[in-house]
Amino acid sequence: DTEVTQTPKHLVMGMTNKKSLKCEQHMGHRAMYWYKQKAKKPPELMFVYSYEKLSINESVPSRFSPECPNSSLLNLHLHALQPEDSALYLCASSQAGEGRNTIYFGEGSWLTVV
Amino acid sequence: AQKVTQAQTEISVVEKEDVTLDCVYETRDTTYYLFWYKQPPSGELVFLIRRNSFDEQNEISGRYSWNFQKSTSSFNFTITASQVVDSAVYFCALSANTGNQFYFGTGTSLTVIP
Repeated sequence: DTEVTQTPKHLVMGMTNKKSLKCEQHMGHRAMYWYKQKAKKPPELMFVYSYEKLSINESVPSRFSPECPNSSLLNLHLHALQPEDSALYLCASSQAGEGRNTIYFGEGSWLTVV
Repeated sequence: AQKVTQAQTEISVVEKEDVTLDCVYETRDTTYYLFWYKQPPSGELVFLIRRNSFDEQNEISGRYSWNFQKSTSSFNFTITASQVVDSAVYFCALSANTGNQFYFGTGTSLTVIP
């Protein structure tokens, strides 16, 4: 079983809704990530938090707002999304810093924007 | 620049056949890390293996084996005696020694037919 848990598993939201995706890891990792994955494509990096500070924002639109309340939790707040934002959103974690650290992924949250 | 190429978009094999998934990478770094992940239809990216650039020893884990060749910049993955449960999308990825960026290939969709 994965040690990165994501909720909800599935989310359907309207374009005027505000919702949040939640992620929790229990491996003592200090880096956490949000990836977006469209069908038949590889995951695309959105945000990286390292030691609870935002270290990478891959020019993601402001309608996506990440939050890292502590080293184990990562949220992604969603507001005024577009239908093209429908995708699988993957949370992941790793020991902080160097690229040699393996990234472990959660099961993902399937988001549909209607 | 870092780049990972998985030229095989889709592969179908009959159960119990062996199958090799190809991965070719490009990097100017002398120290780097290569990964394979499995993504079943449920969505979770499952970590399979990490290989360091300075360790070219091949690895076998049950029915899985990996062939790392720096001379050809390849890190191929072989499944022996394939099973239906092996049906998934497989991603090869590359990371540098510093930073948190993973470079994913476009993935190979494997279907094992019973």
